[in-house]
Amino acid sequence: SQQGEEDPQALSIQEGENATMNCSYKTSINNLQWYRQNSGRGLVHLILIRSNEREKHSGRLRVTLDTSKKSSSLLITASRAADTASYFCATDPRALTFGSGTRLQVQP
Amino acid sequence: DAGVIQSPRHEVTEMGQEVTLRCKPISGHDYLFWYRQTMMRGLELLIYFNNNVPIDDSGMPEDRFSAKMPNASFSTLKIQPSEPRDSAVYFCASTILGESYTFGSGTRLTVV
Repeated sequence: SQQGEEDPQALSIQEGENATMNCSYKTSINNLQWYRQNSGRGLVHLILIRSNEREKHSGRLRVTLDTSKKSSSLLITASRAADTASYFCATDPRALTFGSGTRLQVQP
Repeated sequence: DAGVIQSPRHEVTEMGQEVTLRCKPISGHDYLFWYRQTMMRGLELLIYFNNNVPIDDSGMPEDRFSAKMPNASFSTLKIQPSEPRDSAVYFCASTILGESYTFGSGTRLTVV
């Protein structure tokens, strides 16, 4: 069964706009991770946030974690056409399980 | 490090044939995972190893699937006999406990 589920399933924005993706999960976690997948490629790790952290930044990425609501969000600021990809959240506590992903399309 | 290396990148085989997928994890990583990705089912965990020992193979769909890790630098996923519904992209990933995963580029398997 899938632990994390992303919302929305698809998102289309214009270059320069911000993109927000949400993730909900079901059980306790040690950490939550976000990955990106370009079409036909492997998954690339973006950011890891531990259960005792509430917010984390990496470049244009901002991730929040609310363990009381069992949810996380990924914000990409000032999006670029190159950000077009599928984005997945993944949770432990054992092996990572992935949601269905959010397909982000950034229009130039 | 060259990252997680999978081979072959593409495999086309006929139904009933044996297929072997290969993976070389990152040196020093003690966890190795095999995932399968399809449009219908998304990313599914098939099996994972810790220190070369299989820990959880509950995701392996059928007895036709088997995986081995004879040493810390090599793992195989075998399908025998293969069926059209096995067509998917198979990913290998490795990590150390509590850290992010590094994925290989995947093997796209087509069974005709």
